[in-house]
Amino acid sequence: EVQLVESGGGLIKSGGSLRLSCAVSGFSVSSNYMTWVRQAPGKGLEWVSIIHNDWTTYYTDSVKDRFTISKDNSENMVYLQMNSLKAEDTAVYYCAREYYKKMDIWGQGTVVTVSS
Amino acid sequence: QSALTQPRSVSGSPGQSVTISCTGTSSDVGGYNYVSWYQQHPDKAPKLIIYDVSKRPSGVPDRFSGSKSGNTASLTISGLQAEDEADYYCCSYAGSHTFVFGVGTKVTVL
Repeated sequence: EVQLVESGGGLIKSGGSLRLSCAVSGFSVSSNYMTWVRQAPGKGLEWVSIIHNDWTTYYTDSVKDRFTISKDNSENMVYLQMNSLKAEDTAVYYCAREYYKKMDIWGQGTVVTVSS
Repeated sequence: QSALTQPRSVSGSPGQSVTISCTGTSSDVGGYNYVSWYQQHPDKAPKLIIYDVSKRPSGVPDRFSGSKSGNTASLTISGLQAEDEADYYCCSYAGSHTFVFGVGTKVTVL
C-alpha cells in the first residue's frame, strides 16, 4: 500500500529546533522527488522544500538557512530539520511525493506549534 | 514567490457549474503547463484532482475539468454535488525547482 506517515510535530518555543519525519511505504524515496508542504491555521497551502532523487535540495525563501530537507534511502524516510523556529512556522506540515510536477501522494500531516 | 490569486469563495446549487480562477504571472502559471489543483476537505490532507492544466488522475470524476489562458488557470466543477463542498487550491511550477500555491477557494454547495 502506498502511504506517507509524518511524525515529529509538537509544541516548541520560538528559536528552538524540531525534526519532522516522513515514513514512506509502497514506493522508494531513492527514485522519487519528495516535498514538504505546510498549512498555517486557517490559511492556505505553502510549498516548503523538495529533495530530488539525486539529493539536490530546494527551499522557499522564508525557510532558507533555517530548514534542511534530507532522506534515508535505506530506511525509506524523508526528514525536515527545522531550526531557529518562529511563530510564523506554526502549521500542519505535510509530506508529499512530487511526481512530474504534481504532488500526487500526501501524508496526513503533523502539527507544529511554535510559541513565542 | 507570491501566492497565486484565487477568489476566496464561490458557491452554487446542486447540479450547477462553478469555475475557480487562479491568476499568477509569466514566471509561473503563464510560463509552464504544470498547473495542478487540489481538493481539501476539513481536517483532511489535500487530494490531487487536476494536473498538467487539464488532466485528471484515475478515479477523479469527469465533472472536474481544468484549463489555462495566459497567466490564469481555471478549475470548473460541472454538475455540482454536495460532496464537492471543500477548499480548492491551485499550484504551479515556478521554475528553479520550486512551486507556488494559490490562496485557496472555499466552494459552498447551497
